[in-house]
Amino acid sequence: SQQGEEDPQALSIQEGENATMNCSYKTSINNLQWYRQNSGRGLVHLILIRSNEREKHSGRLRVTLDTSKKSSSLLITASRAADTASYFCATDTMNSGYSTLTFGKGTMLLVSP
Amino acid sequence: DGGITQSPKYLFRKEGQNVTLSCEQNLNHDAMYWYRQDPGQGLRLIYYSQIVNDFQKGDIAEGYSVSREKKESFPLTVTSAQKNPTAFYLCASNGGAGELFFGEGSRLTVL
Repeated sequence: SQQGEEDPQALSIQEGENATMNCSYKTSINNLQWYRQNSGRGLVHLILIRSNEREKHSGRLRVTLDTSKKSSSLLITASRAADTASYFCATDTMNSGYSTLTFGKGTMLLVSP
Repeated sequence: DGGITQSPKYLFRKEGQNVTLSCEQNLNHDAMYWYRQDPGQGLRLIYYSQIVNDFQKGDIAEGYSVSREKKESFPLTVTSAQKNPTAFYLCASNGGAGELFFGEGSRLTVL
């Protein structure tokens, strides 16, 4: 079952602009994570935000979490062509006593020079 | 270097054949996972294992099998019972802090 849903599905911007991606989910979570995937490659973890946190920063990344609205956003500031990739949110929930991650369908980001 | 190694990177299979995808990690992680990714889709969980000799079905386990005889290894077999096996398969591990470490994936194509 798909827990997180990203919006928009695709985003095209110019270098230097900010990129904002949103994620909505349905059930209670332990934490929410964002990953990046370059075409044909594995996923790379970007940032984890716990259910009791509201905002987190890592370099040019800013993540917010609103548990009342069951939503999160990822902001990439001053984007670069190298940021071109797909970005996925993943929600960490307990499944039969084990923690598992459920991924959304992702947002494809294209940053043009 | 520490990480997850998947092999082969590309694999072709005739209908009716079983194939096994390899996943090895040297991160000393207990938990390992297999995900399937189809074009334009997110990742869907096939199987996961929290400790050696134990594993659980994920959301789409039908037509797949796994084993976990060693901590470092979590191979996935795609059986002939899987009706639509063409996909990108990703293996991952979790050291306990919550984040997943992924391999580079194996792309399976059924001819």
